[in-house]
Parts: sequence; structure tokens; C-alpha cells
Amino acid sequence: DQQVKQNSPSLSVQEGRISILNCDYTNSMFDYFLWYKKYPAEGPTFLISISSIKDKNEDGRFTVFLNKSAKHLSLHIVPSQPGDSAVYFCAAGTSGSRLTFGEGTQLTVNP
Amino acid sequence: DTGVSQDPRHKITKRGQNVTFRCDPISEHNRLYWYRQTLGQGPEFLTYFQNEAQLEKSRLLSDRFSAERPKGSFSTLEIQRTEQGDSAMYLCASRRFRGRAGELFFGEGSRLTVL
Repeated sequence: DQQVKQNSPSLSVQEGRISILNCDYTNSMFDYFLWYKKYPAEGPTFLISISSIKDKNEDGRFTVFLNKSAKHLSLHIVPSQPGDSAVYFCAAGTSGSRLTFGEGTQLTVNP
Repeated sequence: DTGVSQDPRHKITKRGQNVTFRCDPISEHNRLYWYRQTLGQGPEFLTYFQNEAQLEKSRLLSDRFSAERPKGSFSTLEIQRTEQGDSAMYLCASRRFRGRAGELFFGEGSRLTVL
């Protein structure tokens, strides 16, 4: 039962343009959502999070949007930079419990 | 830098052998998690500890897998009688009890290859 799903295994964008990564979930009990970034040979690192009581959270070039009615989460990166090239994982959890991760999306930002 | 460290980084073993991985979390973090990641998939939860207490185990964690955190500091994950399906990256993560919800600090992982 894949409760968190990222349907796009890869995304390629030009430097300076917007990158939009998407994530869908099925468990309505999730009360917080996160995005992690992973470079090769490193562990995932936290990028940005959002509580289920919000619909938007912004941190510099990164914005996460939450649409609870659609059970959909997205990450916007503006402007995209070559250093943003990495695998991005969507994750979700309920208070006090484990995180459930999506499969990941490989983002490539071309100079 | 006192991030999460894992040892060994790579382990190649033959089917049927036992292997043990060690994780040293960030020192002030009292929660420690083990995840497993296979190619093309995201990390899958295995188990977690608060201090020395193992609070949750996934159904993925068969009886061949055992994890300990004897003094609430480092943790070990042992896999007995390894199978080829155990080949994966084993990730350890830690967090503070009152840290940001869901914010885990991951180590670089221990890659297991079972021949």
C-alpha cells in the first residue's frame, strides 16, 4: 500500500526556470508533509515542510503547496539552479509516528 | 561535524551470512530510526527508538532482523541468514524529541550486497 506517491521519476528543466515536483497521498490522517533532497552518496537532507493546517509554506526559492481536498502536495523551485539537481523525496507523517516516503523524483537542472 | 555516522559504508556478503551495521546519531538526539532503501524507491521505515526503548517496528522487519540501542546512544542493526532480497541501502536517522515534526537527520547509509 503506497500511501505517498510521486508519479514522475524524473524532471528536466532549464536553469532559471521553475521546477514543479508533485506528490499525492492517500492517508487523510497525515498531519505534516516534508520534502527531502538527496545527492548521490549522501543521505537525504530536510528541505522544507508544511503542516496540514496550512496550504503554503515558503523558504527562499522553495515553496511547498498543500491541497488537502485533492490530497496533493507540490514543491516549486524558482529560479532553478544546476546545484538543485538531486533526487527529491516527498514524505508525510502523523504526530509521533514514522515518516512515509514517496519513490522520489530525479530533478536535472540544465545550465 | 558531528552528524549521523554509519559503519560500514559498504558490505558485501554471501547468502546465509550474518551482518551487523552500526549507527552513531547526533549526540543530543534521543530518537533514532532505521530505514531501508532499494533502487528506485524511497526510504522504507524499519524501526525506531526513543532513547533505549524500541517503540515501533515495521512488518518489513522479519525475525531475521534485530535492532538494539543498548544505552540510548549508538544503535546496531543485525541481519541474520542474509538473503539476496536484503540487498539495499540501510539508512539511519536521528532527531531531537521536540525537533521540527518529521525533520530527520540521515547518515550516508550502509550499502549491503548479498551475493
